[in-house]
Amino acid sequence: DIQMTQSPPTLSASVGDRVTITCRASQSISNWVAWYQQKPGKAPKLLIYEASTLETGVPLRFSGSGSGTEFTLTISSLHPDDFAIYYCQQYNGYSYTFGQGTKLEIK
Amino acid sequence: EVQLVQSGAEMKLPGESLKISCKASGYSFNTYWVGWVRQMPGKGLEWIGIIYPGDSDTRYSPSLQGQVAISADKSIGTAFLQWSSLKASDTGIYYCARHRGSSGYYRIDYWGQGTLVTVSS
Repeated sequence: DIQMTQSPPTLSASVGDRVTITCRASQSISNWVAWYQQKPGKAPKLLIYEASTLETGVPLRFSGSGSGTEFTLTISSLHPDDFAIYYCQQYNGYSYTFGQGTKLEIK
Repeated sequence: EVQLVQSGAEMKLPGESLKISCKASGYSFNTYWVGWVRQMPGKGLEWIGIIYPGDSDTRYSPSLQGQVAISADKSIGTAFLQWSSLKASDTGIYYCARHRGSSGYYRIDYWGQGTLVTVSS
């Protein structure tokens, strides 16, 4: 299995801050990475796929980058609605794995 | 509008069998992979597997293969996740998830509301 190591586990930030979450894959996966947002008691929501493509309807303050083994999710200016848990996922060839998650909390 | 509507919460004893469902609507069920993701209490997401309803091609996470079975009935647009003998460690929320992409590279673009499975004596 390809492992996805996500960091940090917890991130404290304020409204208006720029934040970055990182995922590292255990082997090269080209750009087959997605990012999801999950709020308490809700199903996850797709934000970004193919490492940097914004899903329809997702605000432009979200962006993704990376290829190979290093990937990042950046939120350029935090809104109150952005405090949630974020997961990366690799989807390379029929066996997919998630990162452990990053809880983004209000400072 | 794409919708995945899952069956309700279940409470089972260890050793019992269970089959939960996911009814799809708003798209061509036969032409998208649909799968399952587990979230144990207070934990992260774990991908279980997927099925292509058009031909029933099924793929599993290596760590979960043999522990669950995924199936689909294309006549009713419904996917299933089944256990033959539940364990306490199967407790969690199970999400149905539509997968989109091609040739083995599928992100999840729609999710069901989740089904809570509790296994306890």
